[in-house]
Amino acid sequence: DAGVTQSPTHLIKTRGQQVTLRCSPKSGHDTVSWYQQALGQGPQFIFQYYEEEERQRGNFPDRFSGHQFPNYSSELNVNALLLGDSALYLCASRNAPGHPNTEAFFGQGTRLTVV
Amino acid sequence: GQQLNQSPQSMFIQEGEDVSMNCTSSSIFNTWLWYKQEPGEGPVLLIALYKAGELTSNGRLTAQFGITRKDSFLNISASIPSDVGIYFCAGHDGPNFGNEKLTFGTGTRLTIIP
Repeated sequence: DAGVTQSPTHLIKTRGQQVTLRCSPKSGHDTVSWYQQALGQGPQFIFQYYEEEERQRGNFPDRFSGHQFPNYSSELNVNALLLGDSALYLCASRNAPGHPNTEAFFGQGTRLTVV
Repeated sequence: GQQLNQSPQSMFIQEGEDVSMNCTSSSIFNTWLWYKQEPGEGPVLLIALYKAGELTSNGRLTAQFGITRKDSFLNISASIPSDVGIYFCAGHDGPNFGNEKLTFGTGTRLTIIP
């Protein structure tokens, strides 16, 4: 049973560029959330996708956008990269909203460095 | 963004010692989760708590959901070298359609002294 998988594992981008990160949820899960984890901090919620729509969004600018595909996989896009966007980006999957089991499982993350 | 208050921030203990850490919030949560994160990895779920007052164990780990629903604690008994890592608490408002985010604590870094 494959867990949550993310790609790539590491990425270096230049300020002002755009980046796309990818996530495949755990088998049986159809809800995907994205988190940003700065060094020395806990993860911060970016947004969540369910049924190919953004359902909830955290306090992140519009430069952060996403997409969910019919197979439940997801992408996180960040435009006009800033140095402060350097972080570990985590994808988490879980059962559908309203399911009594609310446990979220995380991927290994993508380490983004903006130079 | 909001982060829950976790204490202590870091712990240095000897192998075999028991560990206790806690997490507090200014707001109520319906679910408390405890995760462990090792360098270069994503958080791994350790224990999930769904009911105020609930006490749940997972091997040497025991966690409790506070009665006020604003706090939780995690205990690790007889620590071993593989317990090293950063422990995060997370609060969840669900199950509640449209409000699914996890709010994480600031983390407790556990180091075992040889």
